[in-house]
Amino acid sequence: DAGVTQSPTHLIKTRGQHVTLRCSPISGHKSVSWYQQVLGQGPQFIFQYYEKEERGRGNFPDRFSARQFPNYSSELNVNALLLGDSALYLCASSLWVDSGNTIYFGEGSWLTVV
Amino acid sequence: AQSVAQPEDQVNVAEGNPLTVKCTYSVSGNPYLFWYVQYPNRGLQFLLKYITGDNLVKGSYGFEAEFNKSQTSFHLKKPSALVSDSALYFCAVRDPILTGGGNKLTFGTGTQLKVEL
Repeated sequence: DAGVTQSPTHLIKTRGQHVTLRCSPISGHKSVSWYQQVLGQGPQFIFQYYEKEERGRGNFPDRFSARQFPNYSSELNVNALLLGDSALYLCASSLWVDSGNTIYFGEGSWLTVV
Repeated sequence: AQSVAQPEDQVNVAEGNPLTVKCTYSVSGNPYLFWYVQYPNRGLQFLLKYITGDNLVKGSYGFEAEFNKSQTSFHLKKPSALVSDSALYFCAVRDPILTGGGNKLTFGTGTQLKVEL
């Protein structure tokens, strides 16, 4: 079975531009989360969606937004890119939002802002 | 607020020797604890988790972790290290008492494991 898939794998954007990152969860998983991993740090929680509803939001500015589609795939959008947004963006999926469900991560999308 | 501490930035061990990667946590209730491994330029791979039950949890690739509630620790261990175990290891915690649902993970800063011949 396919794991969590993300696209694109690498991209370079200019300050002020907008970016959209995409994620397909593991088949049967209904929850998708997004994390930002800056070089040398642990991943930081951005959003979680379950059944197309936002179920959690981390400490990120309103420039960051996301949505989940009826097929449970998800998009992360970042507006007005800053140099500090350069990071690895990880998508994760799980069956549910509660309990101790294992959260599985994709390979990530490397975003470089110049 | 939940938090995780990984006190060692790097752990060096000789191949064949046992290894331990340390993790301590802080949550308001009983924690859900996870270990992930990250190879260079890759995503996170799940190793193991503690939800409830036996304090010794066995996971992938021969790794295990011991949950100690009194010391609020969840150290990752392996009896015999391999060069191929060299990678970045992250401990993470989820606080099941957080309101509003969601299964947000809070990660430590990571520990670089280097296994040498």
